[in-house]
Amino acid sequence: EAQVTQNPRYLITVTGKKLTVTCSQNMNHEYMSWYRQDPGLGLRQIYYSMNVEVTDKGDVPEGYKVSRKEKRNFPLILESPSPNQTSLYFCASSFRWGEKNIQYFGAGTRLSVL
Amino acid sequence: AQSVSQHNHHVILSEAASLELGCNYSYGGTVNLFWYVQYPGQHLQLLLKYFSGDPLVKGIKGFEAEFIKSKFSFNLRKPSVQWSDTAEYFCAVKRTDRGSTLGRLYFGRGTQLTVWP
Repeated sequence: EAQVTQNPRYLITVTGKKLTVTCSQNMNHEYMSWYRQDPGLGLRQIYYSMNVEVTDKGDVPEGYKVSRKEKRNFPLILESPSPNQTSLYFCASSFRWGEKNIQYFGAGTRLSVL
Repeated sequence: AQSVSQHNHHVILSEAASLELGCNYSYGGTVNLFWYVQYPGQHLQLLLKYFSGDPLVKGIKGFEAEFIKSKFSFNLRKPSVQWSDTAEYFCAVKRTDRGSTLGRLYFGRGTQLTVWP
C-alpha cells in the first residue's frame, strides 16, 4: 500500500531534549516536505527536499533540521525543542516537485514541548 | 509573498444545505490549485485539484470547485452537505512557473465545516 509513514504519532518532551520525528515513503517519490499545523494558521512549510542530499528551507525553518540521505526517508530533527514548537507536524511527498504533482500526507505527529 | 486566503474560518450548516467555501490567492502566474480535507484526527486527503483545462473540476464525495482566473479564485462547492462532511478544509496553491519557489504548496488557514444532522 502506497503511504507516508510518520513516527511517533504522539510525543511529549521537555525543553532542550533533542528529538527526531521520522518520515518514510514507499512510493519512490523524489520530493518530500515537512509542515507544521497550528490553529488559525493552516499549514506552514518547515523544510523541503527535492531529492537525495538536496534540502532547502521553507517558511518556518528556525529551530529545525532535516536530512535526506536516502530517497525514502526524511527525518525532522529538533536539536533543542522549545514550547513554541508544540504543534501538529505533517510529512508529505510527491513524485516530483514540479507542476501536476500531488502531495500525499502522513498521518501527523502531535508534539508537546513542556 | 505568496498568500492564500480562505474567507470563512468556521461554517455551520444543516444537512442538505448547499456549501460554498471561498479561496483566493495572490499570485498572477500559472498555478496548480488544490483542496484538501482533514477529518477529525486524520491526515490531509486530497479532495480535488486543478492543473489546466476545464475550470470546473469535480472531486470525491460530490465536491466540485471552479477556477476563475480573473478573480484569482478557486471556490469549493457542494450542492447538499452531509453530517459526514464535518471536517476542516484547506485550499492550497502551487506556483508552476520556472524559477518559482520549487514545489512548495501554500496553504490557506483552513475552514472548519460543521454539519448538523
